[in-house]
This record gives sequence, structure tokens and C-alpha cells, in this order.
Amino acid sequence: DQQVKQNSPSLSVQEGRISILNCDYTNSMFDYFLWYKKYPAEGPTFLISISSIKDKNEDGRFTVFLNKSAKHLSLHIVPSQPGDSAVYFCAATGASGTYKYIFGTGTRLKVLA
Amino acid sequence: DAGVIQSPRHEVTEMGQEVTLRCKPISGHNSLFWYRQTMMRGLELLIYFNNNVPIDDSGMPEDRFSAKMPNASFSTLKIQPSEPRDSAVYFCASSFGYAGNTIYFGEGSWLTVV
Repeated sequence: DQQVKQNSPSLSVQEGRISILNCDYTNSMFDYFLWYKKYPAEGPTFLISISSIKDKNEDGRFTVFLNKSAKHLSLHIVPSQPGDSAVYFCAATGASGTYKYIFGTGTRLKVLA
Repeated sequence: DAGVIQSPRHEVTEMGQEVTLRCKPISGHNSLFWYRQTMMRGLELLIYFNNNVPIDDSGMPEDRFSAKMPNASFSTLKIQPSEPRDSAVYFCASSFGYAGNTIYFGEGSWLTVV
């Protein structure tokens, strides 16, 4: 049972435009969410996070939005750059005491120059 | 600062052989995670440790998989016997403390079982 879902396996965007990556989760106990970026042959690296007490968090070109009622989060990249081409994973964890980070299946973003 | 260190980076082995993957977490981190990356399931959590104690191994696919953390600076993931369907990239990650902290990944161990 996939508790964290990324339904779009791939996305192509023109350089300079907005990239929107989506993530849905099913477990209402999740209260902290993270996005990771992964280049080929490297480990995932942390990008941005958001706590469930917020609905938006921004860091430079990257903004994460959280809609708790819909159990949905999204990552916006504006403007998109060719160096942003990578696989993006969303992850969720909960303050249940036995926290574990559950990742989605990833979305491969390709930014076209 | 050294990040999470994994070895070997690449392993090619024959079906039925034992495979041992190793991980050194970031110094001071008290939680360690083993993930497997596949096309179908993305980053799948296999097991995680907190203060060297296995907390949740519900993601370990079957009895052929085992993991240990004998001390705060070392962990192993063992597959015995290995099968072709175990071919994947295995990541180790570590973090400090509590839910909400960032976890840091190693560069992964690429396993091919032929």
C-alpha cells in the first residue's frame, strides 16, 4: 500500500517556465513533508520541507504548498532551469514516536533549454 | 564533514551468493535508514534503527534480508542467498533525533545479481 504517491512519473518543462510536481498521501498522521532531488548515480539530496502547521514554505526558486484537507502537496520551481533536471521525491513522516520517512515513487523532471 | 559513506558502490554477484552492503552514518546521528530504489516502488524503506536498535523492519522483503547495527558508526545489510530480483540501488541514510529532521543519504550501492 503506497502511502505517498507521485502519480506523474515524468514532466517536461521549458526553461524559464514553472514546474509543478505533485504528491498525495493517505496517512493523516503524517505531519512533516520533505522534497528531495536526485541526480543520476548520486544519493537523494534534501531540497525543501514543510510542517503541517504551515500551508506554504518558500526557499528561493522553490516553494512547497500543503493542502491538508486534500492530503496533497506540491513543489513549484520558478523559473525552471536546465540544472533542475532530476528525479524529485516527496517524503512524509509523522510525530508518532516511531517516525519513519516514507517516500513516493518519484517524478523525473526534464527542463528543456 | 563526511557524509553518509556506503560500500561497495557497485557489486555484481551471482545468484545464490551472499551480499553484504555497508554503511557509516554521519557522526552524531542516532537514526539510520536502509532504502531500496526500484522503478516500480521508488524509494522503499527496508528498515530503520534508532540508537542502534531496529525500530521497524516491516519493509524487509523476506527472510533472505537481514540488517545489523552493532554500534553507532556502522551498519550492514545482508542478502543471503541473493536473487536477480534483488538487483537495485540500496541507499543508507542517517539523521539526528526526532521526526522532522532532515535525513541525509549516501551515494548508494548498485547491486546486480546475475
